[in-house]
Amino acid sequence: QKEVEQDPGPLSVPEGAIVSLNCTYSNSAFQYFMWYRQYSRKGPELLMYTYSSGNKEDGRFTAQVDKSSKYISLFIRDSQPSDSATYLCANFNTGNQFYFGTGTSLTVIP
Amino acid sequence: DAGVIQSPRHEVTEMGQEVTLRCKPISGHNSLFWYRQTMMRGLELLIYFNNNVPIDDSGMPEDRFSAKMPNASFSTLKIQPSEPRDSAVYFCASRVDSNQPQHFGDGTRLSIL
Repeated sequence: QKEVEQDPGPLSVPEGAIVSLNCTYSNSAFQYFMWYRQYSRKGPELLMYTYSSGNKEDGRFTAQVDKSSKYISLFIRDSQPSDSATYLCANFNTGNQFYFGTGTSLTVIP
Repeated sequence: DAGVIQSPRHEVTEMGQEVTLRCKPISGHNSLFWYRQTMMRGLELLIYFNNNVPIDDSGMPEDRFSAKMPNASFSTLKIQPSEPRDSAVYFCASRVDSNQPQHFGDGTRLSIL
């Protein structure tokens, strides 16, 4: 079993839709959770970073962590064509264990 | 603020040649990471440094790969001799401390012919 599992997609939605991206992880010792956005031919860009269970909101983006079920989600409201990218979930603990999902490719159609 | 800077952005070379990739981490960051990304395997951690000291190099695929961090502002990843299966995008990332996430450069796209 991989440490972090992520549906690779691809996911295609119309502009304005709500997007839900999800990951599961196996190690309950993970403490920190991130979402990165990666545009074509660019490096992963940190989008959201959270430490605890619950929700964190930043503009149109909401990150949700459920430690009891080892499930992390990213919601994008009012999706835009500029949101078209690959989204990677990641997590780590201070014991220097860190893992990335394989990424979900998202296309928002105008 | 300048982010993680990698050079070159693209490298095309022939099999058997030595390849050197360079990275300048964000100033003040004490950890540096080298990753390889392919369509098949996603992001793979090759090696990481804390305070210029290699901590975990278990991801380095073979002895052909080596990495150095002579000071806090510079690191290299070297492949000698290079092989076509080394073709990938190589990313460098840094973070300020162990409680913070990593920040990535824009990578070096390496093609070995």
